Amino acid sequence: KAGVTQTPRYLIKTRGQQVTLSCSPISGHRSVSWYQQTPGQGLQFLFEYFSETQRNKGNFPGRFSGRQFSNSRSEMNVSTLELGDSALYLCASSLEAEWDGYTFGSGTRLTVV
Amino acid sequence: EDQVTQSPEALRLQEGESSSLNCSYTVSGLRGLFWYRQDPGKGPEFLFTLYSAGEEKEKERLKATLTKKESFLHITAPKPEDSATYLCAVQAAGSGGYQKVTFGTGTKLQVIP
Repeated sequence: KAGVTQTPRYLIKTRGQQVTLSCSPISGHRSVSWYQQTPGQGLQFLFEYFSETQRNKGNFPGRFSGRQFSNSRSEMNVSTLELGDSALYLCASSLEAEWDGYTFGSGTRLTVV
Repeated sequence: EDQVTQSPEALRLQEGESSSLNCSYTVSGLRGLFWYRQDPGKGPEFLFTLYSAGEEKEKERLKATLTKKESFLHITAPKPEDSATYLCAVQAAGSGGYQKVTFGTGTKLQVIP
């Protein structure tokens, strides 16, 4: 079966711009979570969506936002990009009724210059 | 606040030299502990789920064990293809009924031929 698909794989943006990343979960998975991964901080939780509703949010500024569509696909948006936003952004999906870990996508590598 | 600490940060082994990675955790209401493997530039890949103290799981050269305060990932006779970063994550019940997941920063394993 198809895995978690994230697009694009790589992005280069300039400070002050905004960016939108996309995630298509495994078919049947209704929960989508987003993580930021950097060498120094490891995996940092951004937010989780379930049935188009944000259920949980990490400690990131309001510049980071997301949404989920009725088909469970999710997008995250980062506005007014800063150099420190350069990271690997990972999307993970999971079943709700039988939570047994995440399936991760390959991530989007964002570089802010 | 839930905490997950992995040690060592990095480990270099000769091919065939067995060793263990440690994941110690502090969490209220542990629901599960997960081990992932992450190769450079890719998303984490699920390895094991452990739910209760005393539980063990095996997969090829890897064996994961769980106590009330820590988990070990034992690697027996490793091969160069086992080189990766190994991540530990704990799942606990968050407020509002959602699953809260906290990741450690990982152990980077290098196996030398």
